[in-house]
Amino acid sequence: DGGITQSPKYLFRKEGQNVTLSCEQNLNHDAMYWYRQDPGQGLRLIYYSQIVNDFQKGDIAEGYSVSREKKESFPLTVTSAQKNPTAFYLCASSPSRQALNYGYTFGSGTRLTVV
Amino acid sequence: AQSVTQLDSHVSVSEGTPVLLRCNYSSSYSPSLFWYVQHPNKGLQLLLKYTSAATLVKGINGFEAEFKKSETSFHLTKPSAHMSDAAEYFCVVSRMDSSYKLIFGSGTRLLVRP
Repeated sequence: DGGITQSPKYLFRKEGQNVTLSCEQNLNHDAMYWYRQDPGQGLRLIYYSQIVNDFQKGDIAEGYSVSREKKESFPLTVTSAQKNPTAFYLCASSPSRQALNYGYTFGSGTRLTVV
Repeated sequence: AQSVTQLDSHVSVSEGTPVLLRCNYSSSYSPSLFWYVQHPNKGLQLLLKYTSAATLVKGINGFEAEFKKSETSFHLTKPSAHMSDAAEYFCVVSRMDSSYKLIFGSGTRLLVRP
């Protein structure tokens, strides 16, 4: 079945440590997105990518980095510069950024906790 | 500029009674509108979408929504709530400018009482 796989489901990070969240899709979608979700809040866009080797900052990119070396993969690194990284992270994809009639397909999320 | 407002942060209903989750939007263009559902610690699942075809849209699990341009609303309804409907629901509007983003509402948590 086609879909988006996020791993791990739960991740614990020590202070000052970088961690990388994985997002893989087999839907042949061009566009991929990373969102952050905090309790009682909506989704906030971190980064998005429309095409391989290209990505754009979203609304809250500080302290995060991404790469898009393959169409299927869009990993997110949470760096030590992110002061409050504890949150639920969601990856999504769509056929293209222009295909908004399609909506997004979401992964099942990664819950990151700083210990 | 496009925006979306979910009018209730929490809605509580009894099992078997109707569900109404309210959403108003603001858009300079004819928007695409979506409802997504999120169960605890899960990703978001598309319930239904409006893309300028029929104004009454039917989705999965018995949900439907009606696009009312005059009221700039896209309320989500279900005739009879089930315990499994307890979740968070997001109303989403497309931003049809050069950014091509989806704009998410702040969410409505639906509680279903036995």
